[in-house]
Amino acid sequence: EVQLLESGGGLVQPGESLRLSCAASGFTFSSYAMSWVRQAPGKGLEWVSSISGSGGSTYYADSVKGRFTISRDNSKNTLYLQMNSLRAEDTAVYYCAKVLLRGYYYRGFDYWGQGTLVTVSS
Amino acid sequence: QSALTQPASVSGSPGQSITISCIGTSSDVGGYNYVSWYQQHPGKAPKLMIYDVSNRPSGVSNRFSGSKSGNTASLTISGLQAEDEADYYCSSYTSSSIVIFGGGTKLTVL
Repeated sequence: EVQLLESGGGLVQPGESLRLSCAASGFTFSSYAMSWVRQAPGKGLEWVSSISGSGGSTYYADSVKGRFTISRDNSKNTLYLQMNSLRAEDTAVYYCAKVLLRGYYYRGFDYWGQGTLVTVSS
Repeated sequence: QSALTQPASVSGSPGQSITISCIGTSSDVGGYNYVSWYQQHPGKAPKLMIYDVSNRPSGVSNRFSGSKSGNTASLTISGLQAEDEADYYCSSYTSSSIVIFGGGTKLTVL
């Protein structure tokens, strides 16, 4: 059974940093690209970032480019999102998601974690 | 890159069919057959319902179907059931190598 478990969320002040983790199990982690998708309170979904199975290719939304860094440790079956220079508008539930098809980070996310809430406020 | 355009809400009675539209541009929906649809119940994580415009993942009811014409993708739910009441989001790959979502549509089953 595929399981994705996010952690690391919390309350931070504007300008501070936070690192999210997503522990994966139930599938061959290194074979699949992974993504982070966020949802601000009461708002819609927003794709944040994706990373290839090997970790050699990364992709970012313009809204986080230069501030967030996605990475993965395939030996630990764990996905990360390093978030720097956080802003109030980054407040959201952050989901990690597994892609449906090997080799394609954009053709559907078939498994999602339960999400971790990040609140940026002074 | 702007979000895809979806109606804020749609509604239907049990047993009826409804269609949710997702309007993009030639740089996203119209340019690639990589449109996905997600269902999200309150407080829950999204669930993939359709990928690559019209394909259903294993386990998704065949009451859900997807299509595309030009820059507009559509999700049709037939034989509407109470448990279909949820928010629905479309997404698409874009020419900028990113993924964009629609604003979401709230489906109410009357």
